[in-house]
Amino acid sequence: QSVLTQPPSVSAAPGQKVTISCSGRTSNIGYNPVSWYQQLPGTAPKLLIFDNNKRHSGISDRFSGSKSGTSATLDITGLQTGDEADYYCGSWDNGLSVVVFGGGTKLTVL
Amino acid sequence: EVQLVESGGGLVQPGGSLTLSCAASGFTFTEFWMSWVRQAPGKGLEWLANINQDGTTIYYVDSVKGRFTIFRDNTKNSVSLQMNTLRPDDTAVYFCARKGLGDFWGQGTLVTVSS
Repeated sequence: QSVLTQPPSVSAAPGQKVTISCSGRTSNIGYNPVSWYQQLPGTAPKLLIFDNNKRHSGISDRFSGSKSGTSATLDITGLQTGDEADYYCGSWDNGLSVVVFGGGTKLTVL
Repeated sequence: EVQLVESGGGLVQPGGSLTLSCAASGFTFTEFWMSWVRQAPGKGLEWLANINQDGTTIYYVDSVKGRFTIFRDNTKNSVSLQMNTLRPDDTAVYFCARKGLGDFWGQGTLVTVSS
């Protein structure tokens, strides 16, 4: 059971928009910034978003992040088949003194 | 270009030990926290430990506390993870990452704990 909660899967058609949610607690998302990662099959995770809504270098503006209270969301617009991947959120947890990740969301582009 | 290259993975028997290394290049190593994260087969990411710039502040997840030790050598731009008393559920790909929340990641090294 992951500390941060993400939906196991989401899907949408090419060109559409998808939103992936990440729910936490005051001790993590409530007080600390959220990062989002993309993991293509068989590869290492890649940082997409840091500090809740800042795109990492070289990341397309089709990816955007936001945070409100103890939840965060990742939006992906103009979906492409190449976006099919697992997406993870992460944040520092003040109570546990560890980085916590969500369980990951598998994106399928239909 | 930031590069992180892990090494040291392999097959080890339960109860055994292994030390992973991560060679860093393309940035000023002494300016950054470094982390280790693992991913068991078919599972999600599990953060394991991180270490600050001079090695004086370290955090571990409970599941590895007392068994794993993170350390760094700033003269060699490397961070390592010494793993003792390995268990089958430690089987995973182990990644090193720059910063606590990982802005750059290595390609990973596979550790298999099995008899």
